[in-house]
Amino acid sequence: EPEVTQTPSHQVTQMGQEVILRCVPISNHLYFYWYRQILGQKVEFLVSFYNNEISEKSEIFDDQFSVERPDGSNFTLKIRSTKLEDSAMYFCASSVAGFGELFFGEGSRLTVL
Amino acid sequence: AQSVTQLDSQVPVFEEAPVELRCNYSSSVSVYLFWYVQYPNQGLQLLLKYLSGSTLVESINGFEAEFNKSQTSFHLRKPSVHISDTAEYFCAVSDRKGGSEKLVFGKGTKLTVNP
Repeated sequence: EPEVTQTPSHQVTQMGQEVILRCVPISNHLYFYWYRQILGQKVEFLVSFYNNEISEKSEIFDDQFSVERPDGSNFTLKIRSTKLEDSAMYFCASSVAGFGELFFGEGSRLTVL
Repeated sequence: AQSVTQLDSQVPVFEEAPVELRCNYSSSVSVYLFWYVQYPNQGLQLLLKYLSGSTLVESINGFEAEFNKSQTSFHLRKPSVHISDTAEYFCAVSDRKGGSEKLVFGKGTKLTVNP
C-alpha cells in the first residue's frame, strides 16, 4: 500500500540552526500539507501546497518557514533559524483531490535545544 | 473558520466495555468530518469519514460515528473495545478558504483499554 514517508524520524538541533524536514508524498497525489503537534497539544495546520505554490498558510507559518517541491517526489519544510518553541512533531500529508482523506506520514520529531 | 472540540482528553476503559469518544464542531453550511487514530510511535491513520449520505459511518474494525447536524456532533463509538484499540483518537473537520481546503483537528482523546 502506498504511503507517505518522512525523514528524519528525529532531529536534535541547536537554537538558531536551519533544519530541513523531508517528505515523499504518495506518487499520484497533488496536494501536500505540513502539520505540527507540540507535545500534549492539538495537531495544527501549517501550510498547504498545490501546483508548485502555497495555497494556504497559517499564522504559525511565518518568514522562518518555507516549503519546496524541488523535484517530482520530495516535499520539504525548512525552518531557517530554529527557536525552542519549534520543538514539535511535524507531519507531512498528501491527498489526491485536496479534500476528503489526507494520508499522513509517521512524523519527524524536532527537538530544539 | 472551523473548530473542533474533543471534550475528553483521556478515556480509560476495560476490555470488552463500550466506549464513546465525543466530538463537536463549529457549525457550517456543509462539512466533511473525520476520525483519525494514532497508535503509539506511528503517524495518523484515517479511521472513518463522513462526506455525505448516510449519517452513520463505520470503520472496518468495529468503530462507528454518527453525524448529527442539529447537535453539531460526530461522536465515535465502539460497543466492545480490545486492548489493541489503545491509541489517541483525533476528530477533524474540513475547513475551506477560497479554493483551498485543510483539516482542523481537535486536541485528541487518549483511549486506554485495560485488561
